[in-house]
Amino acid sequence: QSVLTQPPSVSGAPGQRVTISCTGSSSNIGAGYDVHWYQQLPGTAPKLLIYSNNNRPSGVPDRFSGSKSGPSASLAITGLQPEDEADYYCQSYDSSLSGVFGGGTKLTVL
Amino acid sequence: QLQLQESGPGLVKPSETLSLTCTVSGGSISSSTHYWGWIRQPPGKGLEWIGSIYYTGLSYYKPSLKSRVTISVDTSKNQFSLDLSSVTAADTAVYYCARRGTMPYYYMDVWGKGTTVTVSS
Repeated sequence: QSVLTQPPSVSGAPGQRVTISCTGSSSNIGAGYDVHWYQQLPGTAPKLLIYSNNNRPSGVPDRFSGSKSGPSASLAITGLQPEDEADYYCQSYDSSLSGVFGGGTKLTVL
Repeated sequence: QLQLQESGPGLVKPSETLSLTCTVSGGSISSSTHYWGWIRQPPGKGLEWIGSIYYTGLSYYKPSLKSRVTISVDTSKNQFSLDLSSVTAADTAVYYCARRGTMPYYYMDVWGKGTTVTVSS
């Protein structure tokens, strides 16, 4: 049972827009801590995709965007491409003095 | 650019201690703006935070693992290490080391490739 809740899977056709939600609690996201997102392609290490709620590291396409409101956050992917098929994880900080992850969402590009 | 590389035994017996080392290259582990952490991923499952350490030795651990985990740092070797005691099959996972920022930049921007550890007799 992960501290942050994500849908197990989402899907979309190429070119479409999909969103992935991440719900926390008053001890993490709801406490005002930032949310970060990672993309994990099959067989590889996670890669930072969005940091501090809505910032993209250099090299990440602007098709990826993040938002946060209250105890929840969302990752949006527009113009879906086949290479976006991956697992996506949200992450934040918890008042237990530890980092916390969501359970991960598998994105399937139809 | 900064690179992290995990190393250690790929097979550990139940009840023994799992020990891994992460070697940092292309930069200094004695950064004032970063911590160094461990994350694991059991087969077919999601990511789990284990803990992190500052170059001074200040460390933080996931509460449920705290009694079994020790993370240490060796600035002379530019390395940090993970010890997980009394392992069981549930500790079988890919173990990643990563760099994270100091608060409020609590995210991992550089990751190692990961190393697979199996707990089995």
